Formats: sequence, structure tokens, C-alpha cells
Amino acid sequence: EIVLTQSPGTLSLSPGERATLSCRASQSVTSSRLAWYQHKPGQAPRLLIYSAASRATDIPERFSGRGSGADFTLTITRLEPEDFAVYYCQQYGSSPYTFGQGTKLEIK
Amino acid sequence: QVQFVQSGAEVKTPGASVKVSCKGSGYTFSNYVIHWVRQAPGQRPEWMGWIHTGNGDTKYSQKLQDRVTFTRDTSASTHYMELSSLRSEDTAVYYCARESGYSSGWAFDYWGQGTLVTVSS
Repeated sequence: EIVLTQSPGTLSLSPGERATLSCRASQSVTSSRLAWYQHKPGQAPRLLIYSAASRATDIPERFSGRGSGADFTLTITRLEPEDFAVYYCQQYGSSPYTFGQGTKLEIK
Repeated sequence: QVQFVQSGAEVKTPGASVKVSCKGSGYTFSNYVIHWVRQAPGQRPEWMGWIHTGNGDTKYSQKLQDRVTFTRDTSASTHYMELSSLRSEDTAVYYCARESGYSSGWAFDYWGQGTLVTVSS
């Protein structure tokens, strides 16, 4: 089973700042099948990035993903108030599909 | 627009079973694989398995395979997840999620709003 470790656990930033979230896998992720999701309390998770670097439908350009192998990053440039949430990475290249423990992005 | 509406919160006693529903709309129901994911309080999301809507094929996580069953009713555009022999550790929010296919790299593109299942004596 691939274990995903996200860092930091909590990120405190102000609107307009840049956020960089990390996701490291215990082994290489097959075919870069790595996704990022945004999750707000009481809502359905929202797909942001798939295949490590492709933005999902209707996702703003300020969200970008990069990485390969076992090291991945989600960057949010110029934070908007609605971006403060919990972010999860997920690998779906090898069963069982696994998730990171999440990074909480909070307003400073 | 694609939407999944899940059934309401449940409270169950240990040893009981629970069945959660997930009704899809806004897309061709039989064309997609549906995954189930749960998240216990303070824990990371846990993948439970998938069902192919078209042919009913299933794959369950090794951890849950003896207790979980996925089914679907194509006439009602509804998926079901049943978990038996409930224990306190099964207390979680349960989600259904659609596997996108080629369009979004097989990631989970649409999710239900979640169903809280509480197991308590």
C-alpha cells in the first residue's frame, strides 16, 4: 500500500499570498495518477488536479500541480477567501487507492 | 449538471448493518465506475472499493471485503453501499464518488455530499 504524507499539516496564510502544499509517496505513483481535492466542511470534495498536473474542469488558473515519481506539489497563487479549506492528495494508480492526511489551509 | 445525492444520517448499534444510497443524475448512469470512500473523525479518507455501473463488477478493499457490498439499481440511477457487523470504528462519513474516465485522468470528478454513519450502543 502506498502511504501519502502531506506537509505541512496546517498552513496559515493571508488572502493574496501564495500557498505551496507537498505530498510525498512511500513509493513511485503509477503513471503519475495523483489527484488533489479541496474539501470544505459539510460539502462534497472537489477535484482540483488530476494526473499530477492537469487542472480539472472549471478550476481557476491560480491552482497548479506538479511533480512525478513520489514527490508532488500543489500551488495556489494569490489566495482568495474561498480557498481556505482542507486539501488532500490521492494516488489512484495502485490499489488500494490511498489519500494523504490532509493540509488545512487557514486564514492568518 | 452531474450530481450525487446521498441518503441521510444513520445511527446504528454494534453488530447491525447499514445501507447508504447514492442517487446520480445529469449523466449517463451506466457508463461510469463508482467508488466509495469513508472518513472517520480526525482520520484521512479511506478508499472502500468500486462498482462498475454497467456490468456490476466490484472490487473491495482487503480490509472491508468480508463486510461490505456494493449494488446498483440502474432503473433508479442509484448506487448502494451496505456494511455489516458494524463496530464503533465504522463511525464515519461515507461518500460515493464517480471515476471520471479519460476526461479527467480517471480521478474522482464528482462526489456525493456524504452520509454520516454513527455506530454506538
